[in-house]
Amino acid sequence: GNSVTQMEGPVTLSEEAFLTINCTYTATGYPSLFWYVQYPGEGLQLLLKATKADDKGSNKGFEATYRKETTSFHLEKGSVQVSDSAVYFCALYTGGFKTIFGAGTRLFVKA
Amino acid sequence: GAVVSQHPSRVICKSGTSVKIECRSLDFQATTMFWYRQFPKQSLMLMATSNEGSKATYEQGVEKDKFLINHASLTLSTLTVTSAHPEDSSFYICSAVREGAGNTIYFGEGSWLTVV
Repeated sequence: GNSVTQMEGPVTLSEEAFLTINCTYTATGYPSLFWYVQYPGEGLQLLLKATKADDKGSNKGFEATYRKETTSFHLEKGSVQVSDSAVYFCALYTGGFKTIFGAGTRLFVKA
Repeated sequence: GAVVSQHPSRVICKSGTSVKIECRSLDFQATTMFWYRQFPKQSLMLMATSNEGSKATYEQGVEKDKFLINHASLTLSTLTVTSAHPEDSSFYICSAVREGAGNTIYFGEGSWLTVV
């Protein structure tokens, strides 16, 4: 079946550090891949997405590239800020619109 | 602004009572909506698929008699937690599918339910 595996957190970084949150997936067919962010006490927000192999999604300085050969969609940011502290979810969906989420990775950024 | 809205955002209810959460698509019609549940520090788990004009499809292990879902119109799905107990306290979030080019999924802001 379809599944998403992402690195366990929490991840603690200092401001301006480089961020990588690993995400790999298992899916039949050709899924679309997403990163969602959940700030404390809030709902989900779509951060970025990629719909086919080699696509790069980007938003707010975050990037992720859809790698079919390694079934990965790692999230990266060159310089994190305190305001980036949140929980990040990697997700996929294929046909039927059901979204499969990873377990989430909590990021803490220290000033 | 939000294209999917949930109400209420926070609710506290007494054990044994029922509580209803609404999910509305604000500027599009959604024949399909989804309800998720998130326990503290855990991921979102799909509870059910809400289909306009027909019965919801529940995921394995979700009690359909406890979590009543009604999708009576193309812009509204409701989740009613019946005879709530403290273990039902959780974050409930819905999503709606905007069909068309790209079939975009939008999430609501979520509803925090506390049963005391």
